[in-house]
Amino acid sequence: AQKITQTQPGMFVQEKEAVTLDCTYDTSDPSYGLFWYKQPSSGEMIFLIYQGSYDQQNATEGRYSLNFQKARKSANLVISASQLGDSAMYFCAMRVNYGGSQGNLIFGKGTKLSVKP
Amino acid sequence: NAGVTQTPKFQVLKTGQSMTLQCAQDMNHNSMYWYRQDPGMGLRLIYYSASEGTTDKGEVPNGYNVSRLNKREFSLRLESAAPSQTSVYFCACGKGQGQGSSPLHFGNGTRLTVT
Repeated sequence: AQKITQTQPGMFVQEKEAVTLDCTYDTSDPSYGLFWYKQPSSGEMIFLIYQGSYDQQNATEGRYSLNFQKARKSANLVISASQLGDSAMYFCAMRVNYGGSQGNLIFGKGTKLSVKP
Repeated sequence: NAGVTQTPKFQVLKTGQSMTLQCAQDMNHNSMYWYRQDPGMGLRLIYYSASEGTTDKGEVPNGYNVSRLNKREFSLRLESAAPSQTSVYFCACGKGQGQGSSPLHFGNGTRLTVT
C-alpha cells in the first residue's frame, strides 16, 4: 500500500537556524513524485518543492531543499535560516499513478513547525 | 488572480441537512479533487475527476456525491450531513494525464461544522 509517514507531530527551531522535517514513503511503483506543502495558520496550502524518483540531484528552491534518500525511502525537507514566517504545518505528499490520469496526492499527517525568536 | 475558488468559506449545518460546496478553477486544468482535512489526519481524498465527464471515489467517499459540471467546476454535495463530516474541505486542480511533476493547486478551504 502507498503511504506517507511523518513521525514528528511538532518541532521547534530557533530563528535563523536550519531545521529538518522527516518524511518516509512506501510504494512499489518505480515512478513516483514527492511534494512538500506548507499550511500557515491562515489555512491555505502552499506548494514548496518537488522531487521525482528518477531525479539524480536533490531538489532545491530558495531556502528549501530536499534530502532525498531513495534506498531509505525518505524525502526530508530542510529549511535553512528559519524565519518567523516559517511557522506553519508542513505536509509531505506522494503522487500515485504517476504517469496516468488519476494524479492525486496522498498526504502524511503533517508536522507543525514553530520558529522561536 | 488565477487559481481555485471555493464557496462558501464557512458553513454550519444541523444533522440531516444538505448542502453543496462549490469549486471553480481558472487554470484550464483537466483534473479536480476534493479532500477533507481533520486534525492529526492530514488530507484525505474524497472524490476526484480525472477529466471532464468522469468522477471516481477516493479514500473516504461515504456520505458524499460529486458533480463535474464542466471543465472549470467541480461540486461536492452532502445529502444528509452528520457530525462526522465536520471538517475543512479543500478543492484542488491538476494538469491531468501524465502530470507527473506538476503540483496540485488548492483552494482556500471550506470550514464545515455539523451540529
